[in-house]
Amino acid sequence: QVVLTQSPSASASLGASVKLTCTLSSGHSSYTIAWHQQQPEKGPRYLMKVNSDGSHSKGDGIPDRFSGSSSGAERYLTISSLQSEDEADYYCQTWGIGYRVFGTGTKVTVL
Amino acid sequence: EVQLVESGGGLVQPGGSLRLSCAASGFTFSSYAMSWVRQAPGKGLEWVSVISGSGGSTYYADSVKGRFTISRDNSRNTLYLQMNSLRAEDTAVYYCAKDRAVTNYGDAFDIWGQGTMVTVSS
Repeated sequence: QVVLTQSPSASASLGASVKLTCTLSSGHSSYTIAWHQQQPEKGPRYLMKVNSDGSHSKGDGIPDRFSGSSSGAERYLTISSLQSEDEADYYCQTWGIGYRVFGTGTKVTVL
Repeated sequence: EVQLVESGGGLVQPGGSLRLSCAASGFTFSSYAMSWVRQAPGKGLEWVSVISGSGGSTYYADSVKGRFTISRDNSRNTLYLQMNSLRAEDTAVYYCAKDRAVTNYGDAFDIWGQGTMVTVSS
């Protein structure tokens, strides 16, 4: 079964950039993943899908500040020009026939 | 507007049962696989169960297999989760979520509900 690994936390200053990593377990480096944002006391929101070739497709209304990329078994979410409302938990997700899997989440703090 | 609205949460004693509902609108409900995802207090997201668009295929996380049953009524655009033999560790906010694309292989969740809280306690 595929496992997604995320760092527990990340931080950056207001207006700076932060890059989050989601690592796919061995043997699953070709998988597509999705990124979801969960602001405090809110439900998750879909941000984008990131393919193994680095291409990504964002959800409706997701600002250009959010972008995705890929390298090997790692999938990235980069948030540029950090805003206070970007302070949230970010989860990666993948899927297959009969299962859906989440990473453990990364808490982003805007300094 | 595409929308998912959960209901049915509440306080239940250990060993009890509860049925959650998720009302869908704004898309062709019967075409998409739907899932339940939960989040225990202070914890991350945990996938619980998925059902195909037709309802003919269902799958469960090991943690709920044999106790929870996912179903759907495509005529009512509604997803259900029947939860039996509830345990304290089932305490969580339960979200319903829609697959982004119509596919047999699964997809990302692109629409989430607002969640409904289930508390299992005596």
